[in-house]
Amino acid sequence: DSGVTQTPKHLITATGQRVTLRCSPRSGDLSVYWYQQSLDQGLQFLIQYYNGEERAKGNILERFSAQQFPDLHSELNLSSLELGDSALYFCASSVGVGRETGELFFGEGSRLTVL
Amino acid sequence: DQQVKQNSPSLSVQEGRISILNCDYTNSMFDYFLWYKKYPAEGPTFLISISSIKDKNEDGRFTVFLNKSAKHLSLHIVPSQPGDSAVYFCAARVARGSNYKLTFGKGTLLTVNP
Repeated sequence: DSGVTQTPKHLITATGQRVTLRCSPRSGDLSVYWYQQSLDQGLQFLIQYYNGEERAKGNILERFSAQQFPDLHSELNLSSLELGDSALYFCASSVGVGRETGELFFGEGSRLTVL
Repeated sequence: DQQVKQNSPSLSVQEGRISILNCDYTNSMFDYFLWYKKYPAEGPTFLISISSIKDKNEDGRFTVFLNKSAKHLSLHIVPSQPGDSAVYFCAARVARGSNYKLTFGKGTLLTVNP
């Protein structure tokens, strides 16, 4: 158990819809990262938040947005969903901004299926 | 642009033998390299890392070797055990100012046969 909690574990929805994925980081961790893993793809970095502020942005689509709340949990919002958005979405957390060794602690992921 | 490449999607070895997982990278600015292990229905878990200023790091049965001139690193597991069967991701870190970003490879599925 990494201490990172993600909900829901599974989600099935239709094209054009909007979903929200939720992540609670490990106790004491200030950074939250979102990654997408599509079929045959590695973990694609989407976005990082540190203590409530956006810290770094990766290959995140404009239809996607995220935020980190004062209690440090984070939400990833995916809108106007397309078939190609079907993927595993992982949340990870770290104490700082990754300066030490870069080690991240991952949740179990949220599997999104868009039909 | 795949900056971290794991060219072998899968690897099968016998229990007790050595497993060697390979990773190539293109960005010379990477300063830390990490290996993560992932079991089905679980998130990736950190396994071992190496700084770019070192060429070897060992932790029990796991050893990571870094060849900077070849931009290549490898993970050795000796002896391999059936419980090691998992997907292994290679990751590399780059610093951009005060931001640190991890880039992952696509992973290699290791199967250790009893």
